[in-house]
Amino acid sequence: DIQMTQSPSTLSASVGDRVTITCRASQSISSWLAWYQQKPGKAPKLLIYKASSLETGVPSRFSGSGSGTEFTLTISSLQPDDFATYYCQQYNSYPRTFGQGTKVDIK
Amino acid sequence: EVQLVESGGGLVNPGGSLRLSCAASGFIFSSYSMNWVRQAPGKGLEWVSSISSSSSYIYYADSVKGRFTISRDNAKNSVYLQMNSLRAEDTAVYYCARDRLVGGTTVAYWGQGTLVTVSS
Repeated sequence: DIQMTQSPSTLSASVGDRVTITCRASQSISSWLAWYQQKPGKAPKLLIYKASSLETGVPSRFSGSGSGTEFTLTISSLQPDDFATYYCQQYNSYPRTFGQGTKVDIK
Repeated sequence: EVQLVESGGGLVNPGGSLRLSCAASGFIFSSYSMNWVRQAPGKGLEWVSSISSSSSYIYYADSVKGRFTISRDNAKNSVYLQMNSLRAEDTAVYYCARDRLVGGTTVAYWGQGTLVTVSS
């Protein structure tokens, strides 16, 4: 199984900050990586697919990069609505594994 | 608009069984792979199972293999998760989710979730 490791687990930031979250795969997954945002009590929301493609309707301050085993999610200027937990997920192979999550909270 | 509505969750004793249902609307159900993803209280997301559009391909997480069965009825626009031999660690919100595109990709659409609690 492919293991996905996110860092950091928690990130404290202020509105307007540039935020970067890292996701590492235990083996190459090409670009088959997605990023999700989840708020308490809500279902996850797809932000990025295929490592760097922005899902329709997602603000352009979100961007993704990477391939192989190293990936990043960047929020260029953190907004109040962005305080949430973020997960990466590989869909290169089954089982489709998630990272453990990164909680972005208010500094 | 894509809509996924889960039902069937509840409180069940360890060793018991439960069948979750997911009613889909707003898209051609028979064209898309469907998935179940769960989230234990206060924990992260865990992929549980996937089924292809024609039920030809089915996959399970090791943690549920042999105990859970995914199925679908394209005539009823529904996907199911039969859960047997339930354990305390199966306690979670279970989400039904649709792949983003036909042909198998990542999940893009989610239901609101249904809570399964395994406890005596």
